[in-house]
Amino acid sequence: AQSVTQPDIHITVSEGASLELRCNYSYGATPYLFWYVQSPGQGLQLLLKYFSGDTLVQGIKGFEAEFKRSQSSFNLRKPSVHWSDAAEYFCAVEPKTSYDKVIFGPGTSLSVIP
Amino acid sequence: ETGVTQSPTHLIKTRGQQVTLRCSSQSGHNTVSWYQQALGQGPQFIFQYYREEENGRGNFPPRFSGLQFPNYSSELNVNALELDDSALYLCASSSFDRVGELFFGEGSRLTVL
Repeated sequence: AQSVTQPDIHITVSEGASLELRCNYSYGATPYLFWYVQSPGQGLQLLLKYFSGDTLVQGIKGFEAEFKRSQSSFNLRKPSVHWSDAAEYFCAVEPKTSYDKVIFGPGTSLSVIP
Repeated sequence: ETGVTQSPTHLIKTRGQQVTLRCSSQSGHNTVSWYQQALGQGPQFIFQYYREEENGRGNFPPRFSGLQFPNYSSELNVNALELDDSALYLCASSSFDRVGELFFGEGSRLTVL
């Protein structure tokens, strides 16, 4: 079945530590890939996207993500986390068909310890 | 600030009632998508409107319906409300040729009692 999974429901990191949030997808053809962030009381914001080409993509707020076709993964990373990064992070896909829209994973909640 | 505004921000209804949620899209965007986000879950796709026509629908019953107006604003209507309809309803506007780049409003929090 087609799906987007985020294995980690909740992650806690110390401020200044590195971060990696995992995302796996199951689709016949590699879909378009995205990461969105939802901060408390705010709408979702697009962090970065991958369509094709270079498998390491840079986004806003110092985030990057790496696409690995062999693992069907699109993991989000940040070298040094700030307290303001505490939020809910969603991996999302848009299958490359005419009738499918952006599908979100279940999310990973990030807490940052000062 | 995405330029996408939703109203109302919060509302409480009782089971069986009907609700209308509104969304003003960002300037220059011609597509509006609606999502339902239950507590602790990811957004679930309800439907999308492009040029006033429904352009894709998720796994939601017909009592969830929508409209898009010539100025690209949109409404989500839910009839015969059920307790499980309690959720945050998110509107996202986009340009049809910009794949996956959604600009979200802050949502309408619906509570069904």
